Amino acid sequence: GAGVSQTPSNKVTEKGKYVELRCDPISGHTALYWYRQSLGQGPEFLIYFQGTGAADDSGLPNDRFFAVRPEGSVSTLKIQRTERGDSAVYLCASSAQGGTVTDTQYFGPGTRLTVL
Amino acid sequence: KNQVEQSPQSLIILEGKNCTLQCNYTVSPFSNLRWYKQDTGRGPVSLTIMTFSENTKSNGRYTATLDADTKQSSLHITASQLSDSASYICVVSAWGGFQKLVFGTGTRLLVSP
Repeated sequence: GAGVSQTPSNKVTEKGKYVELRCDPISGHTALYWYRQSLGQGPEFLIYFQGTGAADDSGLPNDRFFAVRPEGSVSTLKIQRTERGDSAVYLCASSAQGGTVTDTQYFGPGTRLTVL
Repeated sequence: KNQVEQSPQSLIILEGKNCTLQCNYTVSPFSNLRWYKQDTGRGPVSLTIMTFSENTKSNGRYTATLDADTKQSSLHITASQLSDSASYICVVSAWGGFQKLVFGTGTRLLVSP
């Protein structure tokens, strides 16, 4: 596809459930990022992948959050034992390289997660 | 702590008028500053990018300025159009081997006919 895609666009779940959010980056982009955007706030960094490896996961709020990118393309953000405070829009972005000063991140439309 | 603050929080202007949005930041080590436009329900889209040595950058009707000494930036929109209605987010990149983006909370702009 031409841009970054994310599925599902909306996800409603109950407190305590497990959810997976998927990101398909732009083809050929080696760098992939996850952000979380709470209502009325700017996005906050969660994790950065360079290829298959998580180069920086310092933004993950706790050990209930985990992300993988096994083949260096599609990534899945996994949230265990969801809490109401996890409700937010989860944005994925990709960039061509990740390691240059002017590298541009292209964002997907996001997945809106609602935890009841 | 790395922070980016924007003002005003929201703004309403008439179609055809100009406006200026402000951004102050404390981000280290500074890599670059971008302005993003985010339409409702969409991901942010980059408008401009400026590195430390750049003072101004234009993209059509959008002109961004950067004062690295005072750590301030502005985004000027000329001859506004209805389609300019969106959130405008100032994003400062901290360099840590990659572009670690620090987002402001945005200015919500409404262009009224």
